Amino acid sequence: AAGVIQSPRHLIKEKRETATLKCYPIPRHDTVYWYQQGPGQDPQFLISFYEKMQSDKGSIPDRFSAQQFSDYHSELNMSSLELGDSALYFCASSIRQRTDTQYFGPGTRLTVL
Amino acid sequence: KNEVEQSPQNLTAQEGEFITINCSYSVGISALHWLQQHPGGGIVSLFMLSSGKKKHGRLIATINIQEKHSSLHITASHPRDSAVYICAVLTQGGSEKLVFGKGMKLTVNP
Repeated sequence: AAGVIQSPRHLIKEKRETATLKCYPIPRHDTVYWYQQGPGQDPQFLISFYEKMQSDKGSIPDRFSAQQFSDYHSELNMSSLELGDSALYFCASSIRQRTDTQYFGPGTRLTVL
Repeated sequence: KNEVEQSPQNLTAQEGEFITINCSYSVGISALHWLQQHPGGGIVSLFMLSSGKKKHGRLIATINIQEKHSSLHITASHPRDSAVYICAVLTQGGSEKLVFGKGMKLTVNP
């Protein structure tokens, strides 16, 4: 069965650069969630989208923005990258905001040098 | 104090041992997830519980809503079970969120 796809899987950027992470949900899933997991940390919720609209917002820095497109894939845009942004970013998808049944992607590991 | 606490934080076991991982939470929840994260980051959902007990292969998960506690048991552990096991709770209320525990790193030696 198709799973959540994230790209790229690994990304290396310099400080102050920008990065765009992509998440492709499971087919027919209309809700996407983004999480950030710093080294040795537990995952933290960033933001979620349902039917292309932001549905909830967590601890997402102002330098980050995200959107969901008409095909339900989502992109997380990160600007003015800082060393502390180095983390594993993973997304999850569900149907109709079923937050209790999220399917997780493999994650994108971002390293900021 | 974290809303979700896991114990122990690290565990090393020998192949074949019975393993228990504990999770306690302090908030009202509508569901609890047990997740497995292998080196490299991918997260797999093992169980979603709102009451009682679930079993899948060598894994058993239980939850006691009154005591706000859940356990994940691994029977006949195997080196391929080595991973980080994360407890995450879905909070109740208008804004449902998954709140994650810090995870428990399990190493099963052959």
